[in-house]
Amino acid sequence: EAGVAQSPRYKIIEKRQSVAFWCNPISGHATLYWYQQILGQGPKLLIQFQNNGVVDDSQLPKDRFSAERLKGVDSTLKIQPAKLEDSAVYLCASSSTRYSYNEQFFGPGTRLTVL
Amino acid sequence: SQQGEEDPQALSIQEGENATMNCSYKTSINNLQWYRQNSGRGLVHLILIRSNEREKHSGRLRVTLDTSKKSSSLLITASRAADTASYFCATQGGSEKLVFGKGTKLTVNP
Repeated sequence: EAGVAQSPRYKIIEKRQSVAFWCNPISGHATLYWYQQILGQGPKLLIQFQNNGVVDDSQLPKDRFSAERLKGVDSTLKIQPAKLEDSAVYLCASSSTRYSYNEQFFGPGTRLTVL
Repeated sequence: SQQGEEDPQALSIQEGENATMNCSYKTSINNLQWYRQNSGRGLVHLILIRSNEREKHSGRLRVTLDTSKKSSSLLITASRAADTASYFCATQGGSEKLVFGKGTKLTVNP
């Protein structure tokens, strides 16, 4: 089966600019996650969707980050305006159900550099 | 904040040797998972151990879990150069959120 797709793979922007990332989860996976991974650290959950509803966005910096999953399939994560500390790899993951504690399948990530 | 803390931060071994990585966590969990991350394949799930399990095997991987000590270990036997990667433990509790540690960077020298 096809894995989680993300684009772009790399993005370089100036601070205060805007950027958007796209994710297409594995077909049929109801739960979608966005993680931020800063160099040298483990991934940190930013937001979790169950179909098109938000389950957890407690660690999403809502003053500058937004995410949507309008049709319950693919999702976009936006940063506006970007700061230097947003430089990181943004990972999208999906899982088949919310309550079964199944493994999460990760995409290749988007490496963001903010100059 | 991150739940798991892996130890050591970095490990370098020769091909054929065994590699052991440890993970400690702070709060009660439903399960603990180990993931591998390298530049070629991204983050890949390796194994999941539930809170009522003490040991689990998958191929060359052996995971133990001691809930009384809030710790887990990952053993990779007969390591290969292809095992070179960063290894992360991740815990999942009542909130279902997966919380990752900072990882152990493993280098297997040919």
